Amino acid sequence: GIQVEQSPPDLILQEGANSTLRCNFSDSVNNLQWFHQNPWGQLINLFYIPSGTKQNGRLSATTVATERYSLLYISSSQTTDSGVYFCAVTYSGGGADGLTFGKGTHLIIQP
Amino acid sequence: ETGVTQTPRHLVMGMTNKKSLKCEQHLGHNAMYWYKQSAKKPLELMFVYNFKEQTENNSVPSRFSPECPNSSHLFLHLHTLQPEDSALYLCASSQESGEGDQPQHFGDGTRLSIL
Repeated sequence: GIQVEQSPPDLILQEGANSTLRCNFSDSVNNLQWFHQNPWGQLINLFYIPSGTKQNGRLSATTVATERYSLLYISSSQTTDSGVYFCAVTYSGGGADGLTFGKGTHLIIQP
Repeated sequence: ETGVTQTPRHLVMGMTNKKSLKCEQHLGHNAMYWYKQSAKKPLELMFVYNFKEQTENNSVPSRFSPECPNSSHLFLHLHTLQPEDSALYLCASSQESGEGDQPQHFGDGTRLSIL
């Protein structure tokens, strides 16, 4: 199956800092999503981005499908950004396919 | 997100009990999924339902039995579970059109503890 690797595994930053999270995948993908899991376990959709660039407030994401990676940018970090960020992909298409998740990046934003 | 509702939010059960997890989606989607998140492990796909038909079973033990009576509801029936089955169980839904995979939307999960 497809491999999804996220880096770094852990990141500790001060409030106001910027960060870049990376997701590498081993095969062509049909779907790529970024999620934020908060301390209560809720998985929040950030971006649906199989290719291209999107922005939503302080967050933006870029996927370069031909080079098999995606980046999530967080600017002017806030303590509420803390949590685990997951990248997840599907790769076979043609119907409903389960997501394959990376192990996540655990982000801690200190005040 | 309120489009996918899971109940109960927390469940504690003994190994000999039988219980069910419920998922309901209010998004008009036609595909639903069960995922498992154990401590220190990535989220793992368990089952996929497309138009109420199971299209994927990711080698899940038979003590987990899914049911999808219609496109809006998904159940996970549990019986004779083991302590290692303690985990967060997440339900998701998506709209599949046969033209590529669409984003999946997740519920808040059921946190299951097996005594």
